[in-house]
Amino acid sequence: GAVVSQHPSWVICKSGTSVKIECRSLDFQATTMFWYRQFPKQSLMLMATSNEGSKATYEQGVEKDKFLINHASLTLSTLTVTSAHPEDSSFYICSARDSNSPLHFGNGTRLTVT
Amino acid sequence: QKEVEQNSGPLSVPEGAIASLNCTYSDRGSQSFFWYRQYSGKSPELIMSIYSNGDKEDGRFTAQLNKASQYVSLLIRDSQPSDSATYLCAVSTDTGFQKLVFGTGTRLLVSP
Repeated sequence: GAVVSQHPSWVICKSGTSVKIECRSLDFQATTMFWYRQFPKQSLMLMATSNEGSKATYEQGVEKDKFLINHASLTLSTLTVTSAHPEDSSFYICSARDSNSPLHFGNGTRLTVT
Repeated sequence: QKEVEQNSGPLSVPEGAIASLNCTYSDRGSQSFFWYRQYSGKSPELIMSIYSNGDKEDGRFTAQLNKASQYVSLLIRDSQPSDSATYLCAVSTDTGFQKLVFGTGTRLLVSP
């Protein structure tokens, strides 16, 4: 089945720094990838839809200048959390699908901002 | 009103019993329905998908969809301790089932 790889699996950074998370589709091409965020004991919340070769579409309430998304190829999307703050600490999960299957998720990135 | 609602649980069942997980959704235009299993600290894993009214069985799992009543359920037969996890219901309004709205999940505990 479709495999989505996410890196890093966890990261600790200091407040004010930026963190980049990569999401790769390993055995298929994904024109669209999705970025979710999950706070403890809460459900997944869609942050943005990443479109290959064009600007990402952000959900209401998500700051596009803080969460930079780049989808430069059919197999890679990146999410950069800029000027991270402790309240950005969360579990970030990307997902993608090929043409024949529902969404599959990457393994997630646990971000801790100190 | 939340778009996708689930009882947070925990739902406790003994090993070998049937676990019944329920989910209701608010958007009548919803087209596609999914159940994901999420272990603590891990990413969601797709368990079942269902698109039309009725039952869909896959091994020990049965998904049930009733669009008129706007609910979808997941039955787990012969529950095992390894089934203990949080089960997320997800709904999509587009036929390409790309943009998913998730419920908050039901935590299932299967005791040996």
